[in-house]
Parts: sequence; C-alpha cells; structure tokens
Amino acid sequence: GEDVEQSLFLSVREGDSSVINCTYTDSSSTYLYWYKQEPGAGLQLLTYIFSNMDMKQDQRLTVLLNKKDKHLSLRIADTQTGDSAIYFCAGRPGGGFQKLVFGTGTRLLVSP
Amino acid sequence: DGGITQSPKYLFRKEGQNVTLSCEQNLNHDAMYWYRQDPGQGLRLIYYSQIVNDFQKGDIAEGYSVSREKKESFPLTVTSAQKNPTAFYLCASSRAESSYNEQFFGPGTRLTVL
Repeated sequence: GEDVEQSLFLSVREGDSSVINCTYTDSSSTYLYWYKQEPGAGLQLLTYIFSNMDMKQDQRLTVLLNKKDKHLSLRIADTQTGDSAIYFCAGRPGGGFQKLVFGTGTRLLVSP
Repeated sequence: DGGITQSPKYLFRKEGQNVTLSCEQNLNHDAMYWYRQDPGQGLRLIYYSQIVNDFQKGDIAEGYSVSREKKESFPLTVTSAQKNPTAFYLCASSRAESSYNEQFFGPGTRLTVL
C-alpha cells in the first residue's frame, strides 16, 4: 500500500521561507494534499495538487511535485509565527474509495 | 455554521471500560472517517463509512467499533479489547462525489486511559 514519509521537525526564523518535504511510494496517487494542524486542533486543508501538475501556487504557498522521484514539497514564503504548526502530507492512491494516506507530519517552529 | 463537532474534548477511562466518542456533522456529507493520531506516527485510519448503514474497517480497526444509523452521526466505541487506547482521535467527513475528496476534520477528542 501507499507509504508517505516526512521529516519530523523544521525550525526557521520569521520572514524566511520554509520548505517541507514529503516522499510517497504509490505512483497511482491521483491527488496529493497538504494539511495543517494547530496545537490541540483538527486538520485543515491548505492546498492540494493533481498528479498531472508539476507546480501549484496559492498566495504564500507553493507546491512542487516531482512524479519521477515521488517527491512533494510545500514552500511557505515569508513565514510568520502563526505558521507554527504540524504539516501533514497525504496521498490518495488510485482505485477504490478515496481513502487518504497521511505522512507522519512535520512540526514547523517559527521563531521571531 | 457548518462543521464537524466532536465530544467530549477530553475523556478519561479506566482500563477495562468501553467508551464512546461522538462525531456529528451538518455539512450534508455522505462519507465519514475516524482516525487515530499518536505522536510521530501521523494519522491512521480506524473506520470509514461511505453511506448510511454501511462502514468498512480501516488499517487499525481491532478493538474499535462504529455505527452509522444517521447521515450526520458516526460514533466510535473504543472497547476494552483495544490494547493501547490512549491517543488523540479525529473524525472527518467528505462529499462522496468530490473529485479531490477534501476531508473536513473535527477538533478531536483526547482519550486517556488511567
């Protein structure tokens, strides 16, 4: 089945760019997602990318997809302290019901 | 306001007791899900339901049970058979016909076994 891997921790200074990386194993994943979880809360969808796209930009967020290497990244420009949270990458393997497979999550800490 | 509610926010249970976590949505979504979150392990799927009166096991269903008698409700029972139930439990829902299947999450219930 699908396996999604992320590094566990990233620390940046306010105003810098953050890049969170993710690798996945199932090349049939039709959509790939980035979710954000603030402390003690549920997840909220930040953005998603369809598997036939290489890049998607949405305000401060840029998603890059390298299908050959099965690598997904989320870049946050001008990172703010309010961006401190856990970021989850998720894949949706092709076929069957649309179950999502989540990565372990990357905890982003933004210091002033 | 449309959304997903989970109750209670914190729950304490003694070993050997069953406990039921509530999940309600007013988004008119057909599909609902239960996930378990443990530190450093991400989210793991416990059960999901695509339609009323039907549900399927996820990756870690042992020791859990669910029901789906109403479209808006998907309660999860953590039974005494679950060996390590202390975790953060998240409920989610989505439109079954959505091509990109955005899942909307509730605020979660933190279960602690004493």
